[in-house]
Amino acid sequence: GAVVSQHPSRVICKSGTSVKIECRSLDFQATTMFWYRQFPKQSLMLMATSNEGSKATYEQGVEKDKFLINHASLTLSTLTVTSAHPEDSSFYICSAREPRGAGYNEQFFGPGTRLTVL
Amino acid sequence: GNSVTQMEGPVTLSEEAFLTINCTYTATGYPSLFWYVQYPGEGLQLLLKATKADDKGSNKGFEATYRKETTSFHLEKGSVQVSDSAVYFCALRGAYNFNKFYFGSGTKLNVKP
Repeated sequence: GAVVSQHPSRVICKSGTSVKIECRSLDFQATTMFWYRQFPKQSLMLMATSNEGSKATYEQGVEKDKFLINHASLTLSTLTVTSAHPEDSSFYICSAREPRGAGYNEQFFGPGTRLTVL
Repeated sequence: GNSVTQMEGPVTLSEEAFLTINCTYTATGYPSLFWYVQYPGEGLQLLLKATKADDKGSNKGFEATYRKETTSFHLEKGSVQVSDSAVYFCALRGAYNFNKFYFGSGTKLNVKP
């Protein structure tokens, strides 16, 4: 159980375009999902916490208008990188937490999305 | 504040060698501690966890003990395999904020046959 998927796994886009990344919890309802960014050979950086039915909470230094997050249902959160530029190229990983039970204490990670902006 | 420090890699071992990856942490209160593994091109998978002092997490031959006196959570495996080659992340979840995980910088393990 506790499977999280992401789509797409890889995306290449032109500078100035917008890209949407989906994160789905497949076998549980996730009231809270998280978006991370991982730079090459570096650790994960939490970008924002996505709460179902409310606005996302962004970490300091993360541009809200640049990285739009929508958590419209208990199983889906989306991250839209608006007007992408080459410096936005990165590995984006989402995670989800079960609302109760044993899974509440940990986060289940998706497989990640590799974004390349040309 | 909360933070995690991991030994730098890469770590290169021969198959069946003993593995230790050091992890120390700084935290207020009593955090939960985790080890995650990331295989090439994939997301993170939970390897093991410990939620209170002296707990030992174990999975797939890997072990780590939550040592509050030394603020450490070192990862060990008695005999590594080529398939263990991956990046290992130590992580902390704060005692007072269930949402926020703090990750170490990751340690790349290369196991040679």
